[in-house]
Amino acid sequence: EVQLVESGGGLVEPGRSLRLSCAASKFSFSNYFMNWVRQAPGKGLEWVSSISSSSTYIYYADSVRGRFTISRDNAKNSLYLQMNSLRAEDTAVYYCARGGTATTAPDYWGQGTLVTVSS
Amino acid sequence: EIVLTQSPDFQSVTPKERVTITCRASQSIGGGLHWYQQKPDQSPKLLIKFASQSFSGVPSRFSGSGSGTDFTLTINGLETEDAATYYCHQSSGLPYTFGQGTKLEIK
Repeated sequence: EVQLVESGGGLVEPGRSLRLSCAASKFSFSNYFMNWVRQAPGKGLEWVSSISSSSTYIYYADSVRGRFTISRDNAKNSLYLQMNSLRAEDTAVYYCARGGTATTAPDYWGQGTLVTVSS
Repeated sequence: EIVLTQSPDFQSVTPKERVTITCRASQSIGGGLHWYQQKPDQSPKLLIKFASQSFSGVPSRFSGSGSGTDFTLTINGLETEDAATYYCHQSSGLPYTFGQGTKLEIK
């Protein structure tokens, strides 16, 4: 079955940077849209960013545009989220989620990695 | 931004009941509406994609319907394992959005 394993989360001070990674396996990674979705503690789901299979199309939520950068390395079956200028409101579990071959709609999700922004 | 409003926010139900959760979009999204189930301390799982297409491995008691602005997730014959929070999500217009969630409690 599809496997998505996030890493890179942790405690970081406001204004600092963090890079999340997602290792994908058991599917043809280079053929699929990929997404980052986050969930603040005790809150609902919030879409963060999506990237097409060849990185041609990249989309961001307004709340992270200009601070976060999504990227992928199809040779390494990996998805990334570079997070700069972090704020307290970025505190959340960040999920990597596979989209479809022609749609961003997530089907399989990773277990998530917790990012805590606090001094 | 397309706002998705789910109702109810919370529902307490008994096993074997038929449960209906609705999701209303602030503007037409065609069929680009998907349903997810999230149990405590777990990642979300896809139940229904594009309004009515059941995802692989999902029990047949889960079904979806609707188009345009009004969508419904139905659980026929609720089981205790269905205790969870359910979210709708639209992938028709940027920014993509989720509903606020509906928490199902099993009595």
